[in-house]
Amino acid sequence: QSALTQPRSVSGSPGQSVTISCTGTSSDVGGYNSVSWYQHHPGKAPKLMIYDVSKRPSGVPDRFSASKSGNTASLTISGLQAEDEADYYCCSYAGTYTWVFGGGTKLTVL
Amino acid sequence: QVQLVQSGAEVKKPGSSVKVSCKASGGTFSSYIINWVRQAPGQGLEWMGRIIPILGTASYAQKFQGRATITADKSMKIAYMELSSPRSEDTAVYYCASGGYCSGGTCNQNNWFDPWGQGTLVTVSS
Repeated sequence: QSALTQPRSVSGSPGQSVTISCTGTSSDVGGYNSVSWYQHHPGKAPKLMIYDVSKRPSGVPDRFSASKSGNTASLTISGLQAEDEADYYCCSYAGTYTWVFGGGTKLTVL
Repeated sequence: QVQLVQSGAEVKKPGSSVKVSCKASGGTFSSYIINWVRQAPGQGLEWMGRIIPILGTASYAQKFQGRATITADKSMKIAYMELSSPRSEDTAVYYCASGGYCSGGTCNQNNWFDPWGQGTLVTVSS
């Protein structure tokens, strides 16, 4: 159960868009439509932003969107705002009632 | 919406066990599937395992098999994560998070985690 691969950091200016990738294998990301994304501000609990690859929980702005192709999932944040600066983690079901997270991506809003 | 409230910070010496609790309050369903996730300093989130309280069945990440034990008191809606023989590398914030719910004897597993507890800092130091 190796961690999913995410870029260590991404950055963008307010109003711009950024995309964070999350690469796994056919045993996790590629094998199930069960990728979720979490926003994590230091010192707070992680917050669910996307589930089932591309669905947004109520209350999450539609600036957050996500998709999957093969073994790679992606989270796109458009119209960047200062409060979007945080760590972002992908997570995938990996079979046999186990889950695996990505290593996390630090988003900096310039 | 269910709220998950965790026990307070712990400081443990290497080799002693540590047990963290997570109590579910509010919410509509009789029981919630509880996952445990940790974050070591400077590291990412790491899924440890989960339990379905009404069934008492737990599953674990390979790394934690045999070292972590997840249990639940279904009547009190409390889940526990016990880590045996912790070492300094186990210093981390431990979170519980709901991965679904059970009602009337059937369970609905979600492949995502929401909501989360507030986190419990466990420090392992001699």
